[in-house]
Amino acid sequence: GAVVSQHPSRVICKSGTSVKIECRSLDFQATTMFWYRQFPKKSLMLMATSNEGSKATYEQGVEKDKFLINHASLTLSTLTVTSAHPEDSSFYICSASPPGQGDSYGYTFGSGTRLTVV
Amino acid sequence: RKEVEQDPGPFNVPEGATVAFNCTYSNSASQSFFWYRQDCRKEPKLLMSVYSSGNEDGRFTAQLNRASQYISLLIRDSKLSDSATYLCVVNPSGTYKYIFGTGTRLKVLA
Repeated sequence: GAVVSQHPSRVICKSGTSVKIECRSLDFQATTMFWYRQFPKKSLMLMATSNEGSKATYEQGVEKDKFLINHASLTLSTLTVTSAHPEDSSFYICSASPPGQGDSYGYTFGSGTRLTVV
Repeated sequence: RKEVEQDPGPFNVPEGATVAFNCTYSNSASQSFFWYRQDCRKEPKLLMSVYSSGNEDGRFTAQLNRASQYISLLIRDSKLSDSATYLCVVNPSGTYKYIFGTGTRLKVLA
C-alpha cells in the first residue's frame, strides 16, 4: 500500500524561529500532496495543496508567506512555518495518494508533526 | 450549514454492543466518501471507503444515502480496541480536497 513518511514527528522551537516539516511518498510518486492542521479536539483543516513543480494553492485564510510550501520533486513536499509564534502550535499532517487513486481508495496520511512554539 | 457534520459524541458503549454513527454532507454533487479512524494524537487511517451500494468489512458496515445526503458507519460486536475518533470524509466532485467532519468519539467500555 501507499506509504507516506513525515518528519519530524515532534518539534519544539522558540518564537520567531522557522521550522521545516518534510513529507515523503515512499513507494509512489505524488504530483499533489496536501497539508492539514489540527487543533486539539478539532477536525483536520486543509491548509494548502502542494503541486510538484508549481506554486502551492492555499486555502482561504492561510498566509502563504507564513507557511511556505515547496514541492520540488515527485516524492517530497516541505512545509516551513516561518517566524513561528505560540498560536502556530498545532498538529500538522500531510497526505498523498498514487495518481488517480485518491478519489476511489482514499489518501494516506503521514504520521503528523506536533509543533510546540515556546 | 457545515459541509460535513457529525455528532461529536462521545458514544460510550459496552464491549459487544452495536453502535452506529451518521454523518451528513451538504454538497449533493459529492462523489467520494470515506470513514477514517483517528487514535489520540495520531494520524487518521483509512477505515473504509463508502460505496453507493454499501459495503461491509468484517464487523464494519458503511452505507450511503444520497437522497438524504448522509453516510453511516455501523460497528458490530464492539471491541475495546475500537475506541477512537471516527472521521467522516467527503470529497466534493471535481476536486481533490477532502472535507473532514469533526469526528465522533467512541469509547468501548469493559
